[in-house]
Amino acid sequence: KAGVTQTPRYLIKTRGQQVTLSCSPISGHRSVSWYQQTPGQGLQFLFEYFSETQRNKGNFPGRFSGRQFSNSRSEMNVSTLELGDSALYLCASSLSAGEGEQYFGPGTRLTVT
Amino acid sequence: GQNIDQPTEMTATEGAIVQINCTYQTSGFNGLFWYQQHAGEAPTFLSYNVLDGLEEKGRFSSFLSRSKGYSYLLLKELQMKDSASYLCAVRDTGGFKTIFGAGTRLFVKA
Repeated sequence: KAGVTQTPRYLIKTRGQQVTLSCSPISGHRSVSWYQQTPGQGLQFLFEYFSETQRNKGNFPGRFSGRQFSNSRSEMNVSTLELGDSALYLCASSLSAGEGEQYFGPGTRLTVT
Repeated sequence: GQNIDQPTEMTATEGAIVQINCTYQTSGFNGLFWYQQHAGEAPTFLSYNVLDGLEEKGRFSSFLSRSKGYSYLLLKELQMKDSASYLCAVRDTGGFKTIFGAGTRLFVKA
């Protein structure tokens, strides 16, 4: 069974731009969570989607948004990029919201210059 | 508030046993997870505890005490490849949020 895939793997953007990251969960997994990982802050929860609905949201500004499609694929968008948004963005899938372990994708390394 | 504490770094010798502790304070509890993360890679699932007690899986064991808000990950017969960060994570009952600790960097020396 294929694992969680994320595209793109690497991205360089300039301040003020916007970016869209994509995540395809493991087949049959319906819950997708997004995390931001930085050396200083560790893994910070962004949001979780299940059945195309956002179930929970972390403490991030409104510039961070996401959505989930009917095939469980998910996208997250960051608008008006800031230097501090440079991070590894990880997507994780699980069978259902609030159940079982999460399986992580390889991440998207975003650099904002 | 919600807080997960684990040591920042640990060093152990190849072939030895190491215990990585994790204490947590969350508004609710719906399971505790341990993940391993090698540098530059994504976290990989190691163990899941929802009831008190010890879960054993090969060289890795994880213990949970819900009344004490405490867990540990035990790694036996350490190998050089076990050098990695180990992340403790708690799933809250308030929604479906999983909160991660900052991770413990384990260095295994020969």
